[in-house]
Amino acid sequence: AQKVTQAQTEISVVEKEDVTLDCVYETRDTTYYLFWYKQPPSGELVFLIRRNSFDEQNEISGRYSWNFQKSTSSFNFTITASQVVDSAVYFCALSEANYGQNFVFGPGTRLSVLP
Amino acid sequence: DAGVIQSPRHEVTEMGQEVTLRCKPISGHNSLFWYRQTMMRGLELLIYFNNNVPIDDSGMPEDRFSAKMPNASFSTLKIQPSEPRDSAVYFCASRNRDRDYEQYFGPGTRLTVT
Repeated sequence: AQKVTQAQTEISVVEKEDVTLDCVYETRDTTYYLFWYKQPPSGELVFLIRRNSFDEQNEISGRYSWNFQKSTSSFNFTITASQVVDSAVYFCALSEANYGQNFVFGPGTRLSVLP
Repeated sequence: DAGVIQSPRHEVTEMGQEVTLRCKPISGHNSLFWYRQTMMRGLELLIYFNNNVPIDDSGMPEDRFSAKMPNASFSTLKIQPSEPRDSAVYFCASRNRDRDYEQYFGPGTRLTVT
């Protein structure tokens, strides 16, 4: 069955520090999709990125970068030079292509960036 | 695009009352999901539809919960009768399963049952 683990419940950093949020997944499928969502204090869930299982290229978008490693079943998210506006709960999620296609979300990591 | 629209944004009701939550997915999307979020249990998938047909309702907590999708642009989640433990934020999400796999979420409905 599919499962997503985010071992870090809460992280606090000081502004301008780099921070990495860990995500480890389990799946029985050979084709799957990984996602990161951000939930700021206002409560909405914002889609950040999707990664396909057949594409292990890392991705960078401004201060955000993602490291996908199939060998360790991990999809980690790094914020460089963190800012107070990055404070939010971040969710990692997994969707299997061939088994129902529903989403499984991790428990989330609450990131607090202090000024 | 207006994004996923949910109504009401907040609902306060008394135990035993019927509650109906509404969702309008993004135009062109053919999958719709209902989630519940609480501090204790995190984000839980309740039910999802493909092309208006319920595919998996195994997350619906009990018979008091029901969901419908009469057409591609509207879905409801009904709780009858409501109980205090149903208090949560309920999210609706949609996606185009033929093109993307990411879901786009509505703003959520915060339900309080007293």
